[in-house]
Amino acid sequence: AQSVAQPEDQVNVAEGNPLTVKCTYSVSGNPYLFWYVQYPNRGLQFLLKYITGDNLVKGSYGFEAEFNKSQTSFHLKKPSALVSDSALYFCAVRDSTDSWGKLQFGAGTQVVVTP
Amino acid sequence: NAGVTQTPKFQVLKTGQSMTLQCAQDMNHNSMYWYRQDPGMGLRLIYYSASEGTTDKGEVPNGYNVSRLNKREFSLRLESAAPSQTSVYFCASSSDRGYSYEQYFGPGTRLTVT
Repeated sequence: AQSVAQPEDQVNVAEGNPLTVKCTYSVSGNPYLFWYVQYPNRGLQFLLKYITGDNLVKGSYGFEAEFNKSQTSFHLKKPSALVSDSALYFCAVRDSTDSWGKLQFGAGTQVVVTP
Repeated sequence: NAGVTQTPKFQVLKTGQSMTLQCAQDMNHNSMYWYRQDPGMGLRLIYYSASEGTTDKGEVPNGYNVSRLNKREFSLRLESAAPSQTSVYFCASSSDRGYSYEQYFGPGTRLTVT
């Protein structure tokens, strides 16, 4: 069975500082990993994904994430946070051995960026 | 190109009432999904449809039924609503061709059952 852990319920960061949102996963096969962002009263928006290849993936709005197979992690990063980055962030994983597209989502991390 | 659309946006039901949540996508995706979102629990899969004419149960299917009407539309029905079904419901779709596994979400339906 696949699982995702986001160990922090909330991350607080000052505008202009680096932002990191942590995610670890567990799968039987190879992981396909995703980050989504949710603004208040909106649906989830896709940010980036890791399927194969380069461990550092770049996505929308200046976000990037690093896949670390040995630590089973896929942390989301942004070099300089903006107040507008305040939102709920979800990590998700799909097991490559699954025959269909089930995504397992983490519980979410609330990011608060203060001016 | 509207992406994934859902209706209604808000709904209040009394216990025992029924309703159908509608979802449509215009991205020619094969796979469609229904999730519910509850505070602190992330998203939980209710039902999914890997292609037109097929549906399967997800993590929390009890109390729900679905219909994949055609490639575009995937509806979720609550036959007899219960307060435990108070939640925000999201529909999503994905291509699943090549490595396009990411899912695209609708704006959600906020359902309250009293």
